[in-house]
Amino acid sequence: GQQLNQSPQSMFIQEGEDVSMNCTSSSIFNTWLWYKQDPGEGPVLLIALYKAGELTSNGRLTAQFGITRKDSFLNISASIPSDVGIYFCAGLTNFGNEKLTFGTGTRLTIIP
Amino acid sequence: DSGVTQTPKHLITATGQRVTLRCSPRSGDLSVYWYQQSLDQGLQFLIQYYNGEERAKGNILERFSAQQFPDLHSELNLSSLELGDSALYFCASGGGGDTQYFGPGTRLTVL
Repeated sequence: GQQLNQSPQSMFIQEGEDVSMNCTSSSIFNTWLWYKQDPGEGPVLLIALYKAGELTSNGRLTAQFGITRKDSFLNISASIPSDVGIYFCAGLTNFGNEKLTFGTGTRLTIIP
Repeated sequence: DSGVTQTPKHLITATGQRVTLRCSPRSGDLSVYWYQQSLDQGLQFLIQYYNGEERAKGNILERFSAQQFPDLHSELNLSSLELGDSALYFCASGGGGDTQYFGPGTRLTVL
């Protein structure tokens, strides 16, 4: 099945550092979503983006909907230990179906 | 807590068997989505139901089927199980729009 390309695949950072990750697609999406998944849990919705160029924040998280509608970016500022997990982007076309196409995930680890 | 419940949390069975996974959506949500998460394929959309009717289909095998009942809970039936069906199966619910809220998942192990 199709997956979106996320990079980096994994990140090892120190507490307090800022984090940037991105997601790219060969096709256009009308909605971009960012989820976080903790081990053994389901993905939790972090941010939803609905318009090309849109910049949306949720606390220390900021996400952007790329102008081309083929990419999205997520930034986390001043990382804390509970930020550890896997971050997934997901795209939605809204053309007669609502299936989410997920990215390959970025695993974030915080080094003590 | 997303408000979506899934049972069972873990399921261990043998090849060739059939299992049923159950999902209760958030109160008020009419849509239920099923996803499969495996190590090599990531999170893959299987099927969506909206108010009892199938709305969208993804990479769902013919051995798999789902339904949504009048009380809006949904069941995913997996039959003739193979080793490769071992995965986490997630249910998500939503109002029929774009945001989907995921349940805790059912971990299926086929031996």
